[in-house]
Amino acid sequence: SQTIHQWPATLVQPVGSPLSLECTVEGTSNPNLYWYRQAAGRGLQLLFYSVGIGQISSEVPQNLSASRPQDRQFILSSKKLLLSDSGFYLCAWRQGQNTEAFFGQGTRLTVV
Amino acid sequence: KQEVTQIPAALSVPEGENLVLNCSFTDSAIYNLQWFRQDPGKGLTSLLLIQSSQREQTSGRLNASLDKSSGRSTLYIAASQPGDSATYLCAVKEEPGTASKLTFGTGTRLQVTL
Repeated sequence: SQTIHQWPATLVQPVGSPLSLECTVEGTSNPNLYWYRQAAGRGLQLLFYSVGIGQISSEVPQNLSASRPQDRQFILSSKKLLLSDSGFYLCAWRQGQNTEAFFGQGTRLTVV
Repeated sequence: KQEVTQIPAALSVPEGENLVLNCSFTDSAIYNLQWFRQDPGKGLTSLLLIQSSQREQTSGRLNASLDKSSGRSTLYIAASQPGDSATYLCAVKEEPGTASKLTFGTGTRLQVTL
């Protein structure tokens, strides 16, 4: 069966520090991968998606970047965090375009 | 631009009651609609996926319906239990394109009381 792992679960980082959040999927190949952010009281916002290794599309301009170095690995990064980067970050995957999407357990990022 | 609305924002019901959660979307051109459950501080758990060609899907005590032309979906929960307490989110997958992104509503926070 397929599983998705996301870590760390919580993270407190100072302003200006770098960020690296990792997501891996097991039990499938060539998944579509997504990074969402959930801000308090707001819906989930798509940040990045990837349909293959090295293929990254950004939905919104921001202080973050994403990479997909391996088929089932998706990384969210920042060189210098801002206070506004605080939020709940969720990784998701889907096999194909019209199937169910599955989410990880999320990372709570607090920038102080 | 697609907008997804969920009403009510919060709902409290006594255990055993049947309930309906509502989801509406402004652009009826969707591939599918998915219902999720989110427990506090946790990720999303997929509950049901309805394709645009379907009218409803059932899983246990859950039944989701889709009226694509009117831009509405409902999630029916039968015989509610305290363990059903969570935030319920609906999301639509828009067409066309390869992005395959989901547009989410802001959710309905459900509390089932003893």
